[in-house]
Amino acid sequence: NAGVMQNPRHLVRRRGQEARLRCSPMKGHSHVYWYRQLPEEGLKFMVYLQKENIIDESGMPKERFSAEFPKEGPSILRIQQVVRGDSAAYFCASSPPRIFSSYNEQFFGPGTRLTVL
Amino acid sequence: KQEVTQIPAALSVPEGENLVLNCSFTDSAIYNLQWFRQDPGKGLTSLLLIQSSQREQTSGRLNASLDKSSGRSTLYIAASQPGDSATYLCAVRSGSRLTFGEGTQLTVNP
Repeated sequence: NAGVMQNPRHLVRRRGQEARLRCSPMKGHSHVYWYRQLPEEGLKFMVYLQKENIIDESGMPKERFSAEFPKEGPSILRIQQVVRGDSAAYFCASSPPRIFSSYNEQFFGPGTRLTVL
Repeated sequence: KQEVTQIPAALSVPEGENLVLNCSFTDSAIYNLQWFRQDPGKGLTSLLLIQSSQREQTSGRLNASLDKSSGRSTLYIAASQPGDSATYLCAVRSGSRLTFGEGTQLTVNP
């Protein structure tokens, strides 16, 4: 059973470009979470999604950031018109459905390191 | 709003020492608490998860305790090794999100 997969692992963008970060949850997991780790800071929650639904986006910046988790395919975190302050490590985590006793444990991917030039 | 604090921010010890990392949180209404390890430029490795109804968990040389009422957790590392050098993160789950501390950067010197 492969773990949480994220790609790309490293992404370089110029200011004003778009960044798309992908996350494939563990097999059988239906909940996806995105976290951001700014340089020299701790990890901060961004958004929580289930298939085709955004459940909690209270940690997302109000502009330029969006997330989706379609019925088929990976979850996507999209950052439009990137700025230097978006440079960070973006981590995705997944958890199984609530019928499983381990549903409240989150399993993390290796992260995508975004650098904005 | 949940806040998580980790003390100390950095710790340097000689190989073989037993050590304790501390974590405190402001809201005791949590589902669980996790300790993670993060190596430089890498992802998070889950070390131990303690459910809110539990008092402690052990894995090898690691032991984590949880006192939910006082909002505290400790991670005990026995017989430390240079390979233990990393940043240790404490995170509490309340609602759907994990709230992380800033981490303790541990260096174990040979």
